Amino acid sequence: AQSVAQPEDQVKVAEGNPLTVKCTYSVSGNPYLFWYVQYPNRGLQFLLKYITGDNLVKGSYGFEAEFNKSQTSFHLKKPSALVSDSALYFCAVRDPLSGSARQLTFGSGTQLTVLP
Amino acid sequence: EPEVTQTPSHQVTQMGQEVILRCVPISNHLYFYWYRQILGQKVEFLVSFYNNEISEKSEIFDDQFSVERPDGSNFTLKIRSTKLEDSAMYFCASSFSAMNTGELFFGEGSRLTVL
Repeated sequence: AQSVAQPEDQVKVAEGNPLTVKCTYSVSGNPYLFWYVQYPNRGLQFLLKYITGDNLVKGSYGFEAEFNKSQTSFHLKKPSALVSDSALYFCAVRDPLSGSARQLTFGSGTQLTVLP
Repeated sequence: EPEVTQTPSHQVTQMGQEVILRCVPISNHLYFYWYRQILGQKVEFLVSFYNNEISEKSEIFDDQFSVERPDGSNFTLKIRSTKLEDSAMYFCASSFSAMNTGELFFGEGSRLTVL
């Protein structure tokens, strides 16, 4: 069965510093990986995805993520954090062999706080 | 930018009552989903819906749950007789394609509180 882990419940960084939100996954084959963000009182917003190709994918709001197959990781990064990036971030994984959105499995979320 | 809308944003109900949560997916999307998140826990899949029928459902989606697309725009989740453990945030999502590469677009959620 597929699973995804976000080992940190909270991450705090100073504005202007780089940020990393960690995600590791477990699937039987090659994964499709997604990051979503949830701002207070808002729904989940799609940030970026990795399907195939370049291990570094770029997404919305200056975020990027690096797929590392050997470490089964898909960490979310941003070179320079903004206070407005403060939100709850979810990593999600899909098994491409499943053929169904049922298999979009979410992590438990990481609360990012960017300090001014 | 088109978005998924959900109503109500918050509903409080008594145990045993029926609840209907409503969603308006993005207009040209074909696949619809409900997920839920119990406070402090993971976002969990409930059901997916395509071409006016359920295509997948999880173990959570038992006989107390049903979904319906009563017209060309709304997508509803009904809980027939609510239990305390149904208290959660319920998210509707839609996508244009069921392809594994496609991302889902989520609504802002409906918070259900069962007393």
